Amino acid sequence: GAGVSQSPSNKVTEKGKDVELRCDPISGHTALYWYRQRLGQGLEFLIYFQGNSAPDKSGLPSDRFSAERTGESVSTLTIQRTQQEDSAVYLCASSGRNSPLHFGNGTRLTVT
Amino acid sequence: AQSVTQLGSHVSVSEGALVLLRCNYSSSVPPYLFWYVQYPNQGLQLLLKYTSAATLVKGINGFEAEFKKSETSFHLTKPSAHMSDAAEYFCAVSRVGTASKLTFGTGTRLQVTL
Repeated sequence: GAGVSQSPSNKVTEKGKDVELRCDPISGHTALYWYRQRLGQGLEFLIYFQGNSAPDKSGLPSDRFSAERTGESVSTLTIQRTQQEDSAVYLCASSGRNSPLHFGNGTRLTVT
Repeated sequence: AQSVTQLGSHVSVSEGALVLLRCNYSSSVPPYLFWYVQYPNQGLQLLLKYTSAATLVKGINGFEAEFKKSETSFHLTKPSAHMSDAAEYFCAVSRVGTASKLTFGTGTRLQVTL
């Protein structure tokens, strides 16, 4: 079956522009996560969606970051007024009940 | 709060040698512990997980890890390294009962030389 799909795989944008990153989770997975991975660093939790519950936004670094998820399907992570420090790989992961996380291949964002 | 510390950001071993990647955790409640591997330009793949059953956990590709509560450790080992093992390895911890919300370590890059 299909895994977690993220698009685009690479995104280069100018400082100050807005970007949208997309994640298609595995069908039937109720939980969806966004992580950020800066060069040479670990994974930084951003946001967590679980079914119809209110999302856990505790990891979002600033109000320039937001994410939405429609039901138990696609999620988009939006970064407004991008800054150079936003450059990173953004990883999406999904999981079903009592199952481990399955990760996508990530979107590499470069802000110039 | 929970955290993991991975000792050594880079580890280099010869092909055929023992692989030992260190992970220590901090948790106020019994943890679930995980090792993930990330190959270049790919997402993370689960290698193995500890969820309070057997303390010695066997994973894919010949890797295993042992949960040692007294040492708060969950080190990853493989008896004989292969060139294909070269990758980034991440240790992660979560609370029991919330197995999916993970806190990751900073990763260890494993290099395998001839």
